[in-house]
Amino acid sequence: DTGVSQNPRHKITKRGQNVTFRCDPISEHNRLYWYRQTLGQGPEFLTYFQNEAQLEKSRLLSDRFSAERPKGSFSTLEIQRTEQGDSAMYLCASSLEGGAGLSPLHFGNGTRLTVT
Amino acid sequence: AQKITQTQPGMFVQEKEAVTLDCTYDTSDPSYGLFWYKQPSSGEMIFLIYQGSYDQQNATEGRYSLNFQKARKSANLVISASQLGDSAMYFCAMRKYFGNEKLTFGTGTRLTIIP
Repeated sequence: DTGVSQNPRHKITKRGQNVTFRCDPISEHNRLYWYRQTLGQGPEFLTYFQNEAQLEKSRLLSDRFSAERPKGSFSTLEIQRTEQGDSAMYLCASSLEGGAGLSPLHFGNGTRLTVT
Repeated sequence: AQKITQTQPGMFVQEKEAVTLDCTYDTSDPSYGLFWYKQPSSGEMIFLIYQGSYDQQNATEGRYSLNFQKARKSANLVISASQLGDSAMYFCAMRKYFGNEKLTFGTGTRLTIIP
């Protein structure tokens, strides 16, 4: 179990540029989540996948944001035409669903985005 | 909609003492789960403990225990014999069993252990 891996750890970009983040979940996990966390706040839900299907998107996820999970393995989160308000920590998490009870989400170390 | 409230923005505790971090929640759904996560300065969210709404006993995991009071809608985290490494942000979170699958977090409590 190598845990959830996110790349890059840090990204500095200029306003208006596009950025893409990658998340590799724990290999046997069927669910993958994206969260955003700003300073002093708890993580806010963005979207989640069950295998390759994107099942829910938050209203926080504007048209500039798109997430994919091809083949139900790794996922990418792309932000187009970045704005300074997009500066945040982007967290990826995965879980194994389908058993009894609720499974905890296992988080990666996050990608910290700074838009200048 | 579900909501998590953590009223303690920061706490200072002497090493080796026990500490209770407060969490109240609001939901009309009878089936849900409550989670606590630790976030050190490195940024990773570390899962600590889980309590299901139908669980009869309070959850325990090593030095962590969850004081679950369903009628009061509270799920306080108790850390016994605190250690310097416990200094971190702590988040309470909730998720429904059915329908809305997302985990909703509170604003967190910053715990500082004093040597």
